[in-house]
Amino acid sequence: GESVGLHLPTLSVQEGDNSIINCAYSNSASDYFIWYKQESGKGPQFIIDIRSNMDKRQGQRVTVLLNKTVKHLSLQIAATQPGDSAVYFCAEIAYGNNRLAFGKGNQVVVIP
Amino acid sequence: GAGVSQSPSNKVTEKGKDVELRCDPISGHTALYWYRQSLGQGLEFLIYFQGNSAPDKSGLPSDRFSAERTGGSVSTLTIQRTQQEDSAVYLCASSLGPLEGEQYFGPGTRLTVT
Repeated sequence: GESVGLHLPTLSVQEGDNSIINCAYSNSASDYFIWYKQESGKGPQFIIDIRSNMDKRQGQRVTVLLNKTVKHLSLQIAATQPGDSAVYFCAEIAYGNNRLAFGKGNQVVVIP
Repeated sequence: GAGVSQSPSNKVTEKGKDVELRCDPISGHTALYWYRQSLGQGLEFLIYFQGNSAPDKSGLPSDRFSAERTGGSVSTLTIQRTQQEDSAVYLCASSLGPLEGEQYFGPGTRLTVT
């Protein structure tokens, strides 16, 4: 279930099920989006990216969907595994900008 | 191959002391970034170096924070007169070139100011 305040939104998913993590962005000028995975005690790790001229991109067990109309990004993880337990961040960058703007993150907990 | 490394991994310091955090980017990466991550929060951009260009310091929260990058490689983030609100994980990342989304992150330095 979801948590509020200082706690991250948490998605609990059964091993083998599919996971969907959502992210809303605010800058309509953003044209490049990335999903990162961060395990406890480690730095973020690149998962998949998508440019604004696409609405879907697939990787290995992961799919990113981009809806520019409502400024929404999602990450789908197929057949979730215990190793997928982590915090997932979306990040956006606008052309001409130097920095990635990160969302607050979503905690995914995989139940064996 | 070697990834981004950071040192120290943990640093505990007293309020008012200065600290230096080090980042060794991936060899050949021209872009280097520093971020700060507070407990349960996303990453906050601090500063960006690209080649020999002047750094983008617009994310530094106060003039107590400074960073340099020597020889286009190693970077040091310095926090002077540390405050308790500086406690966070400081993450360094590098990428091949400017505006490259695939930034490779180091493990971070956890700073605790007592």
